[in-house]
Amino acid sequence: GAVVSQHPSRVICKSGTSVKIECRSLDFQATTMFWYRQFPKQSLMLMATSNEGSKATYEQGVEKDKFLINHASLTLSTLTVTSAHPEDSSFYICSAGRGGRTDTQYFGPGTRLTVL
Amino acid sequence: AQTVTQSQPEMSVQEAETVTLSCTYDTSESNYYLFWYKQPPSRQMILVIRQEAYKQQNATENRFSVNFQKAAKSFSLKISDSQLGDTAMYFCAFMKHEGNKLVFGAGTILRVKS
Repeated sequence: GAVVSQHPSRVICKSGTSVKIECRSLDFQATTMFWYRQFPKQSLMLMATSNEGSKATYEQGVEKDKFLINHASLTLSTLTVTSAHPEDSSFYICSAGRGGRTDTQYFGPGTRLTVL
Repeated sequence: AQTVTQSQPEMSVQEAETVTLSCTYDTSESNYYLFWYKQPPSRQMILVIRQEAYKQQNATENRFSVNFQKAAKSFSLKISDSQLGDTAMYFCAFMKHEGNKLVFGAGTILRVKS
């Protein structure tokens, strides 16, 4: 149990376009999901906390208008990178806490975004 | 703010041997959680082990065990009988007891050699 999926696993887009990444908890309900960004050989940087039915909480320095997060149900959160630029190219990972608990997070497999 | 420090960027170990990865952290909290996550080349983050700070007993999961020294704010991971599949980047992470945000260390790349 506690499986989290992400779609797509890889995406290549042109500069200026928007890209949506989905994060789903497959076998549990997730009141809270988290979005991270990871550069090669570096650690995970928390971008935002996504709460079902309410606005996401963004970390300092993360542009909320650029990285739109929607958590419309207990099993789905989406991250939309708007007007993507090459510097947005990165590995994006989501995680979810099971059953309202967040003391243990389960991670999705990640999405590699490349902006040309 | 909490910080997590992993002072070993890279380590190597021979198959079947034991290796210890270091982690120290800084916090003023008295109750919290500590984690070790593994990220293999597939980049899927996998929970290795979890420790609750109020529990004095060190957590163990099969070949993985921790040495939790609360006063020293140290949380090292010992991998026994290392296997090739243990090759990965290992992240130490901290979470406040009443919080939900994970604070990660910079990671240690572990290579298991045959």
